[in-house]
Amino acid sequence: AQSVSQHNHHVILSEAASLELGCNYSYGGTVNLFWYVQYPGQHLQLLLKYFSGDPLVKGIKGFEAEFIKSKFSFNLRKPSVQWSDTAEYFCAVNAYSSASKIIFGSGTRLSIRP
Amino acid sequence: DAGVTQSPTHLIKTRGQQVTLRCSPKSGHDTVSWYQQALGQGPQFIFQYYEEEERQRGNFPDRFSGHQFPNYSSELNVNALLLGDSALYLCASSGGLADSYNEQFFGPGTRLTVL
Repeated sequence: AQSVSQHNHHVILSEAASLELGCNYSYGGTVNLFWYVQYPGQHLQLLLKYFSGDPLVKGIKGFEAEFIKSKFSFNLRKPSVQWSDTAEYFCAVNAYSSASKIIFGSGTRLSIRP
Repeated sequence: DAGVTQSPTHLIKTRGQQVTLRCSPKSGHDTVSWYQQALGQGPQFIFQYYEEEERQRGNFPDRFSGHQFPNYSSELNVNALLLGDSALYLCASSGGLADSYNEQFFGPGTRLTVL
């Protein structure tokens, strides 16, 4: 069965610090990978996605993620965080064989100190 | 362009009761998926509807059922509510065939509390 692990439950950073959130998935086949963000009081929205091609993908608001197939990882990064990045971040996987079913990780709460 | 809408926003029920949640997909979308997000957890896939049929289902008991109408809107029904059913229920819509991945857009959710 597919699963997604997010290693950090809660991350606290100061503004301008660099960010890396870990994500590992378990599935032996072809996958699509996503990072979703949920800002306080707002809808879950897509931050970035990887389907194929360049394993380094860029998303909105300066975020990027790197797919490392050998490590089954899809870590999220941002070189310099802002207070407005305070949110819950979810890594998710969609197995190529299971159409639109998305499996989410348990999420990482990011708190940015101004 | 209206996004995904869900109603009601909040709902309080007691154990054993039944509940119906509603979702209207984003304009132009024909596929609706439902997720359950318990407190402190990521969303869990319940099922997906396309062409008024359930196309995929997650690991949820038969107490969870759904329906999709000809206008693509959808309902999620939960019977014999348990305390553990308390959660945020998210609806997501997408366009295109259900057998290929299309980006899902999420609604604001319905917060269900079971007492």
